[in-house]
Amino acid sequence: DAGVIQSPRHEVTEMGQEVTLRCKPISGHNSLFWYRQTMMRGLELLIYFNNNVPIDDSGMPEDRFSAKMPNASFSTLKIQPSEPRDSAVYFCASRPREQEYNEQFFGPGTRLTVL
Amino acid sequence: AQSVSQHNHHVILSEAASLELGCNYSYGGTVNLFWYVQYPGQHLQLLLKYFSGDPLVKGIKGFEAEFIKSKFSFNLRKPSVQWSDTAEYFCAVKLPGNNRLAFGKGNQVVVIP
Repeated sequence: DAGVIQSPRHEVTEMGQEVTLRCKPISGHNSLFWYRQTMMRGLELLIYFNNNVPIDDSGMPEDRFSAKMPNASFSTLKIQPSEPRDSAVYFCASRPREQEYNEQFFGPGTRLTVL
Repeated sequence: AQSVSQHNHHVILSEAASLELGCNYSYGGTVNLFWYVQYPGQHLQLLLKYFSGDPLVKGIKGFEAEFIKSKFSFNLRKPSVQWSDTAEYFCAVKLPGNNRLAFGKGNQVVVIP
Protein backbone atom coordinates (compact mmCIF):
# COMPACT_ATOMS: atom_id res chain seq x y z
CA ASP A 1 0.00 0.00 0.00
CA ALA A 2 1.37 3.41 -0.96
CA GLY A 3 -0.01 5.13 2.09
CA VAL A 4 -1.56 8.57 2.06
CA ILE A 5 -0.20 10.59 -0.85
CA GLN A 6 0.08 14.35 -0.80
CA SER A 7 1.21 16.78 -3.43
CA PRO A 8 3.10 18.94 -3.79
CA ARG A 9 5.61 18.16 -1.05
CA HIS A 10 6.84 21.74 -1.04
CA GLU A 11 5.14 24.90 -2.23
CA VAL A 12 6.54 28.41 -2.25
CA THR A 13 4.25 31.17 -3.41
CA GLU A 14 3.72 34.87 -3.12
CA MET A 15 1.10 36.52 -0.97
CA GLY A 16 -2.20 36.80 -2.76
CA GLN A 17 -1.75 33.73 -4.93
CA GLU A 18 -4.08 30.76 -4.88
CA VAL A 19 -2.67 27.56 -3.42
CA THR A 20 -4.13 24.10 -3.93
CA LEU A 21 -2.97 21.15 -1.87
CA ARG A 22 -3.89 17.62 -2.88
CA CYS A 23 -4.42 14.39 -1.01
CA LYS A 24 -5.09 10.81 -1.99
CA PRO A 25 -6.18 8.74 1.00
CA ILE A 26 -5.43 5.07 1.47
CA SER A 27 -7.77 2.97 -0.62
CA GLY A 28 -10.74 1.75 1.39
CA HIS A 29 -10.45 4.43 4.03
CA ASN A 30 -13.62 6.44 4.37
CA SER A 31 -12.56 9.28 6.66
CA LEU A 32 -10.15 12.02 5.60
CA PHE A 33 -8.63 14.75 7.71
CA TRP A 34 -6.72 17.95 6.94
CA TYR A 35 -4.32 19.28 9.60
CA ARG A 36 -2.04 22.28 9.81
CA GLN A 37 1.18 22.19 11.83
CA THR A 38 3.05 25.27 13.01
CA MET A 39 5.59 25.90 15.72
CA MET A 40 3.27 28.26 17.52
CA ARG A 41 0.02 26.31 17.42
CA GLY A 42 1.14 22.70 16.99
CA LEU A 43 -1.18 20.35 15.11
CA GLU A 44 -4.60 21.77 14.33
CA LEU A 45 -7.47 19.91 12.70
CA LEU A 46 -8.87 22.03 9.90
CA ILE A 47 -11.64 19.83 8.53
CA TYR A 48 -12.60 16.21 8.16
CA PHE A 49 -14.75 14.21 5.79
CA ASN A 50 -16.73 11.02 6.24
CA ASN A 51 -17.72 9.23 3.05
CA ASN A 52 -16.74 12.35 1.06
CA VAL A 53 -19.04 14.57 3.12
CA PRO A 54 -17.56 17.39 5.25
CA ILE A 55 -18.49 16.65 8.85
CA ASP A 56 -16.65 19.26 10.86
CA ASP A 57 -15.01 22.34 9.38
CA SER A 58 -14.88 24.34 12.59
CA GLY A 59 -11.11 24.38 12.41
CA MET A 60 -10.95 26.13 9.06
CA PRO A 61 -9.37 29.50 9.86
CA GLU A 62 -11.46 31.71 7.62
CA ASP A 63 -13.22 32.00 4.31
CA ARG A 64 -9.95 32.01 2.44
CA PHE A 65 -9.70 28.29 3.15
CA SER A 66 -11.90 25.73 1.42
CA ALA A 67 -11.75 21.95 1.11
CA LYS A 68 -13.43 19.51 -1.20
CA MET A 69 -13.64 15.78 -1.58
CA PRO A 70 -15.24 15.04 -4.94
CA ASN A 71 -14.72 11.29 -4.59
CA ALA A 72 -13.37 8.69 -2.19
CA SER A 73 -9.85 8.87 -3.57
CA PHE A 74 -9.15 12.57 -3.78
CA SER A 75 -9.37 15.73 -1.70
CA THR A 76 -8.13 19.28 -2.10
CA LEU A 77 -7.44 22.09 0.33
CA LYS A 78 -7.44 25.51 -1.29
CA ILE A 79 -6.25 28.82 0.07
CA GLN A 80 -7.28 31.89 -1.85
CA PRO A 81 -5.77 34.41 -1.45
CA SER A 82 -2.78 33.10 0.49
CA GLU A 83 -1.08 35.12 3.23
CA PRO A 84 2.33 34.77 4.93
CA ARG A 85 0.66 33.56 8.13
CA ASP A 86 -0.61 30.54 6.20
CA SER A 87 2.96 29.23 6.03
CA ALA A 88 2.91 25.82 7.70
CA VAL A 89 3.06 22.12 7.03
CA TYR A 90 -0.30 20.76 5.95
CA PHE A 91 -0.97 17.10 6.64
CA CYS A 92 -3.66 14.90 5.26
CA ALA A 93 -4.67 11.75 7.13
CA SER A 94 -7.14 8.96 6.47
CA ARG A 95 -8.83 6.41 8.62
CA PRO A 96 -10.45 3.07 7.84
CA ARG A 97 -14.18 2.54 7.70
CA GLU A 98 -15.64 3.67 11.00
CA GLN A 99 -14.30 1.35 13.63
CA GLU A 100 -13.96 2.93 16.97
CA TYR A 101 -10.33 2.18 17.73
CA ASN A 102 -8.58 2.63 14.44
CA GLU A 103 -5.87 5.22 14.23
CA GLN A 104 -5.37 7.82 11.55
CA PHE A 105 -2.68 7.33 8.91
CA PHE A 106 -0.81 10.46 7.97
CA GLY A 107 0.62 11.57 4.67
CA PRO A 108 4.09 13.12 4.25
CA GLY A 109 2.72 16.65 4.38
CA THR A 110 3.01 19.71 2.17
CA ARG A 111 5.37 22.41 3.39
CA LEU A 112 3.84 25.73 2.35
CA THR A 113 5.77 28.97 2.38
CA VAL A 114 3.95 32.16 1.51
CA LEU A 115 6.28 35.07 0.89
CA ALA B 1 -11.83 23.79 27.86
CA GLN B 2 -11.15 20.17 27.00
CA SER B 3 -7.52 19.69 26.14
CA VAL B 4 -4.48 17.46 25.88
CA SER B 5 -1.41 18.66 27.79
CA GLN B 6 2.17 17.71 27.18
CA HIS B 7 4.77 19.34 29.39
CA ASN B 8 8.51 19.89 28.93
CA HIS B 9 8.28 20.68 25.27
CA HIS B 10 12.03 20.30 24.74
CA VAL B 11 13.84 17.28 26.16
CA ILE B 12 17.55 16.66 25.67
CA LEU B 13 19.15 13.48 26.92
CA SER B 14 22.05 11.15 26.24
CA GLU B 15 21.90 7.73 24.65
CA ALA B 16 20.98 4.95 27.08
CA ALA B 17 19.13 7.39 29.33
CA SER B 18 15.54 6.66 30.23
CA LEU B 19 12.75 8.75 28.74
CA GLU B 20 9.35 9.58 30.13
CA LEU B 21 6.96 12.01 28.48
CA GLY B 22 3.84 13.10 30.27
CA CYS B 23 0.40 13.38 28.73
CA ASN B 24 -2.68 14.56 30.56
CA TYR B 25 -6.14 15.09 29.16
CA SER B 26 -9.20 16.80 30.51
CA TYR B 27 -11.96 14.75 28.88
CA GLY B 28 -14.29 12.80 31.12
CA GLY B 29 -15.55 9.31 30.43
CA THR B 30 -14.10 6.72 28.11
CA VAL B 31 -11.34 7.80 25.75
CA ASN B 32 -9.03 6.22 23.22
CA LEU B 33 -5.40 7.27 23.57
CA PHE B 34 -2.54 7.41 21.10
CA TRP B 35 1.10 8.35 20.91
CA TYR B 36 2.45 9.39 17.54
CA VAL B 37 6.07 10.06 16.59
CA GLN B 38 7.33 12.44 13.93
CA TYR B 39 10.95 11.93 12.89
CA PRO B 40 12.74 14.94 11.40
CA GLY B 41 11.21 15.84 8.05
CA GLN B 42 8.74 12.99 8.14
CA HIS B 43 5.05 12.48 8.77
CA LEU B 44 3.38 11.30 11.96
CA GLN B 45 3.52 7.58 12.64
CA LEU B 46 1.68 5.65 15.30
CA LEU B 47 3.82 4.44 18.22
CA LEU B 48 1.10 2.83 20.27
CA LYS B 49 -2.53 3.11 21.24
CA TYR B 50 -4.82 2.25 24.12
CA PHE B 51 -8.52 1.60 23.98
CA SER B 52 -9.25 -0.99 26.68
CA GLY B 53 -7.76 -3.83 28.67
CA ASP B 54 -4.27 -3.81 30.14
CA PRO B 55 -3.43 -0.18 30.97
CA LEU B 56 0.23 -0.84 30.16
CA VAL B 57 0.56 -0.74 26.40
CA LYS B 58 3.60 -1.92 24.46
CA GLY B 59 4.41 -0.16 21.22
CA ILE B 60 7.03 -0.25 18.52
CA LYS B 61 10.73 0.45 19.02
CA GLY B 62 10.70 -0.40 22.72
CA PHE B 63 8.20 2.26 23.74
CA GLU B 64 5.43 1.68 26.24
CA ALA B 65 2.73 3.83 27.79
CA GLU B 66 0.65 3.52 30.92
CA PHE B 67 -2.94 4.65 31.16
CA ILE B 68 -3.86 5.86 34.64
CA LYS B 69 -7.53 6.67 34.59
CA SER B 70 -7.60 8.36 37.99
CA LYS B 71 -4.90 10.76 36.89
CA PHE B 72 -6.23 11.29 33.35
CA SER B 73 -2.74 10.44 32.15
CA PHE B 74 -1.12 8.38 29.43
CA ASN B 75 2.63 8.75 29.89
CA LEU B 76 5.11 7.42 27.36
CA ARG B 77 8.29 5.65 28.44
CA LYS B 78 11.40 4.06 27.02
CA PRO B 79 14.01 2.59 29.37
CA SER B 80 17.02 3.27 27.15
CA VAL B 81 16.89 5.73 24.26
CA GLN B 82 18.97 5.71 21.10
CA TRP B 83 20.11 8.53 18.87
CA SER B 84 17.48 7.42 16.35
CA ASP B 85 14.74 8.27 18.85
CA THR B 86 15.36 11.96 18.16
CA ALA B 87 11.92 13.11 17.08
CA GLU B 88 8.79 14.94 18.12
CA TYR B 89 6.26 12.96 20.10
CA PHE B 90 2.55 13.72 20.14
CA CYS B 91 -0.11 12.47 22.48
CA ALA B 92 -3.65 12.31 21.07
CA VAL B 93 -7.08 11.60 22.50
CA LYS B 94 -10.15 10.38 20.68
CA LEU B 95 -13.62 10.43 22.15
CA PRO B 96 -15.92 7.48 21.32
CA GLY B 97 -18.32 8.19 18.51
CA ASN B 98 -16.23 11.13 17.40
CA ASN B 99 -13.80 10.98 14.51
CA ARG B 100 -11.63 13.80 15.78
CA LEU B 101 -8.24 13.36 17.39
CA ALA B 102 -7.22 16.05 19.85
CA PHE B 103 -3.43 16.43 19.83
CA GLY B 104 -1.11 17.81 22.44
CA LYS B 105 1.51 20.39 21.48
CA GLY B 106 4.21 17.74 21.26
CA ASN B 107 7.54 17.00 22.93
CA GLN B 108 10.69 17.67 20.96
CA VAL B 109 13.18 15.01 22.06
CA VAL B 110 16.86 15.22 21.14
CA VAL B 111 19.11 12.28 21.97
CA ILE B 112 22.81 13.07 22.06
CA PRO B 113 25.11 10.26 20.95
